[in-house]
Amino acid sequence: DGGITQSPKYLFRKEGQNVTLSCEQNLNHDAMYWYRQDPGQGLRLIYYSQIVNDFQKGDIAEGYSVSREKKESFPLTVTSAQKNPTAFYLCASSSGRVEQYFGPGTRLTVT
Amino acid sequence: KQEVTQIPAALSVPEGENLVLNCSFTDSAIYNLQWFRQDPGKGLTSLLLIQSSQREQTSGRLNASLDKSSGRSTLYIAASQPGDSATYLCAVAGNQFYFGTGTSLTVIP
Repeated sequence: DGGITQSPKYLFRKEGQNVTLSCEQNLNHDAMYWYRQDPGQGLRLIYYSQIVNDFQKGDIAEGYSVSREKKESFPLTVTSAQKNPTAFYLCASSSGRVEQYFGPGTRLTVT
Repeated sequence: KQEVTQIPAALSVPEGENLVLNCSFTDSAIYNLQWFRQDPGKGLTSLLLIQSSQREQTSGRLNASLDKSSGRSTLYIAASQPGDSATYLCAVAGNQFYFGTGTSLTVIP
């Protein structure tokens, strides 16, 4: 089955720790995206990548980092510099600016 | 910067009713518009994609229209069912994808 997988589904971390969220796709899409969703708010773009070894900051990149070493994978690291990291994180992919497909999300809780 | 607005923020209807969800955007220079469904705690599921050259798309009980010149799209749901209860989001594709904040729909049995 083609699709996007995100792991883990739930993640708990202590304040001050870095944490990496996984995103893998087998749709052969060039573009991948990371969004953050908070209650009552829309999706906010953190980072996106249109091709391997290249990525751009979105609207709220501070405190986050990414890598794109393989076409299939686009991991997101939430660093200790992110002041309010508790949120629902969604990964997506697309072929150019056509249809976006989303993974199931990772809920991160930092205490 | 593109801004996408969805009204109403929440909607409650009795089962069987037809309903319309609205999406408006400020910049008409878009490649396409996509409607999604999101269940609580889940990812987004694509419902319909309308290319910029199209006026509407249909899938089952769903019909989405697009009027680029006025910056509007509507999602029409016919004969609503309790299983349609979810949050519906629209997104427009420009230089990047821009999302509305969604309409939370409750269909009452």
